[in-house]
Amino acid sequence: AQKVTQAQTEISVVEKEDVTLDCVYETRDTTYYLFWYKQPPSGELVFLIRRNSFDEQNEISGRYSWNFQKSTSSFNFTITASQVVDSAVYFCAQTVPQGAQKLVFGQGTRLTINP
Amino acid sequence: ETGVTQSPTHLIKTRGQQVTLRCSSQSGHNTVSWYQQALGQGPQFIFQYYREEENGRGNFPPRFSGLQFPNYSSELNVNALELDDSALYLCASSLAGQGPTDTQYFGPGTRLTVL
Repeated sequence: AQKVTQAQTEISVVEKEDVTLDCVYETRDTTYYLFWYKQPPSGELVFLIRRNSFDEQNEISGRYSWNFQKSTSSFNFTITASQVVDSAVYFCAQTVPQGAQKLVFGQGTRLTINP
Repeated sequence: ETGVTQSPTHLIKTRGQQVTLRCSSQSGHNTVSWYQQALGQGPQFIFQYYREEENGRGNFPPRFSGLQFPNYSSELNVNALELDDSALYLCASSLAGQGPTDTQYFGPGTRLTVL
């Protein structure tokens, strides 16, 4: 069975600080996919990134970067030079390419960026 | 914006009633998944429809049912509403066959309150 743990329930930082959101996953499958979604107050889940289990290369997109480490079953998300607009709940999720590709989500981390 | 729309935005029902929520997929997408998100929790997978057939189901009772139409839009029906059904219901669309797993794009959700 798959499980995703986001141990940080809430994080609050001052604008321009760097912040890292942690994600630990569990799975017995050798092929799996990891995701990050952002949920602003409007409620819609916004897709940020998808990473497959065979690609451990870190990725950077503007101020966002992701660190995937299979050795520690972690897929952490860093926001550099945070901005107030980054305030949202962030979810890490996992799926496997079999049957209905249901997303298994973590509990989410509420990130507040203070001006 | 993802192009996934949901209606209504908000809904208030009383215990025992029935409700129908609607979702219009992103253009070209053939798969719809429904999730329930209780307050402060991550979304939980309800079921998925692919080409008008249920393609997988999460741990939800039979009073949660769905339909997918030839234009790939979808409905979620909940009978005999209970207080615990109060949640944000999210619809996600994807295009099966685009890769080992298909990124799901979410709509804005329907907030259901059961009194």
